[in-house]
Amino acid sequence: GQNIDQPTEMTATEGAIVQINCTYQTSGFNGLFWYQQHAGEAPTFLSYNVLDGLEEKGRFSSFLSRSKGYSYLLLKELQMKDSASYLCAALDSNYQLIWGAGTKLIIKP
Amino acid sequence: DVKVTQSSRYLVKRTGEKVFLECVQDMDHENMFWYRQDPGLGLRLIYFSYDVKMKEKGDIPEGYSVSREKKERFSLILESASTNQTSMYLCASSLRTDGFYNEQFFGPGTRLTVL
Repeated sequence: GQNIDQPTEMTATEGAIVQINCTYQTSGFNGLFWYQQHAGEAPTFLSYNVLDGLEEKGRFSSFLSRSKGYSYLLLKELQMKDSASYLCAALDSNYQLIWGAGTKLIIKP
Repeated sequence: DVKVTQSSRYLVKRTGEKVFLECVQDMDHENMFWYRQDPGLGLRLIYFSYDVKMKEKGDIPEGYSVSREKKERFSLILESASTNQTSMYLCASSLRTDGFYNEQFFGPGTRLTVL
């Protein structure tokens, strides 16, 4: 079956760095997405990786290892506004998105 | 900016009622999607559409139907609402570019409670 695993909840301190991991098992693979979702709001796109390696976008970076079925989202210089859920989603061979349950990130001052 | 709007943020209905959830996007996207989001579960695809009058079942279509009469509008219909359909419903849209995948843009969601 197809499956996405990510931690349910993480806590970090303002100004610190946090890494949110995601492992996936899909029928074929056409890329990995990260979305951010603030409570009560719509998910918004953060990143898309299809090749191995690290992609940096400001304070946020996303890493992919296709051989390990593994990705992570790295958030630097954490701010209170980064408190949100982070959704990992993998694109399978039929170009269907398989979604993880999301990781709720709590930032403490 | 892409804008996806949904007809209601909150909706309360009774068991057995017919429920219509409307979604409108203003960026001429070909693809539109309906998901439900429940605590502890990932987004689950109910139906999607890649063109006007076209629809495809997602992972959990039972108890739902959809309508896409115009490109910008995608409606989700609960024929006879049941309590297990209490959930957050999210609509999304994306461009269709052959051979590539484009990010999905989401609406704010409709929190439906069925009593």
